[in-house]
Amino acid sequence: AQSVTQLGSHVSVSEGALVLLRCNYSSSVPPYLFWYVQYPNQGLQLLLKYTTGATLVKGINGFEAEFKKSETSFHLTKPSAHMSDAAEYFCAVLGGTSYGKLTFGQGTILTVHP
Amino acid sequence: DSGVTQTPKHLITATGQRVTLRCSPRSGDLSVYWYQQSLDQGLQFLIQYYNGEERAKGNILERFSAQQFPDLHSELNLSSLELGDSALYFCASSGSGAGGLETQYFGPGTRLLVL
Repeated sequence: AQSVTQLGSHVSVSEGALVLLRCNYSSSVPPYLFWYVQYPNQGLQLLLKYTTGATLVKGINGFEAEFKKSETSFHLTKPSAHMSDAAEYFCAVLGGTSYGKLTFGQGTILTVHP
Repeated sequence: DSGVTQTPKHLITATGQRVTLRCSPRSGDLSVYWYQQSLDQGLQFLIQYYNGEERAKGNILERFSAQQFPDLHSELNLSSLELGDSALYFCASSGSGAGGLETQYFGPGTRLLVL
């Protein structure tokens, strides 16, 4: 069975600072990995995904994530935080016998200070 | 805008009642997924339908049921509602459903409050 752990339920950064949101996964098969963002009172928006191929994937709004198989990690980064990045971020894994089931981490709330 | 629509946006009802949540997938998508988001459980997969057939089942209570119609829209029926069923219910859709390894696009959700 797959599982996802997001380290840190709350992350706070200053505007312009590096954003790093951590995600570790457990999967018995090569995983497909996703980051979704949820703005207040809205649905989940896909930020980026890793399926196969290049391990550094770029997403929308300047975010990127690197798949590291040896570390079973898929951390999300952005070089310079913007106030509009304040939201909740979810890492998710798909694959194996779970078929279409996305397994989500518990989410990380990102706060950006001026 | 993901292209997935859900109605209603908000629903307030009483314990013991039954409600129906509706989802229209993105144009051309054959798979529909239902998820529940609550403060204590986080985001949990409930069920998946592919072209009208149930494909995968998650932590869905027996009081809950779903179906996907020939026009591919889906409904999630929640009955004998309890206070703990209060949550945000998301629908997602994806393309062909083959192998299940596809990007899922989420709707805006239906917020259910059971009083």
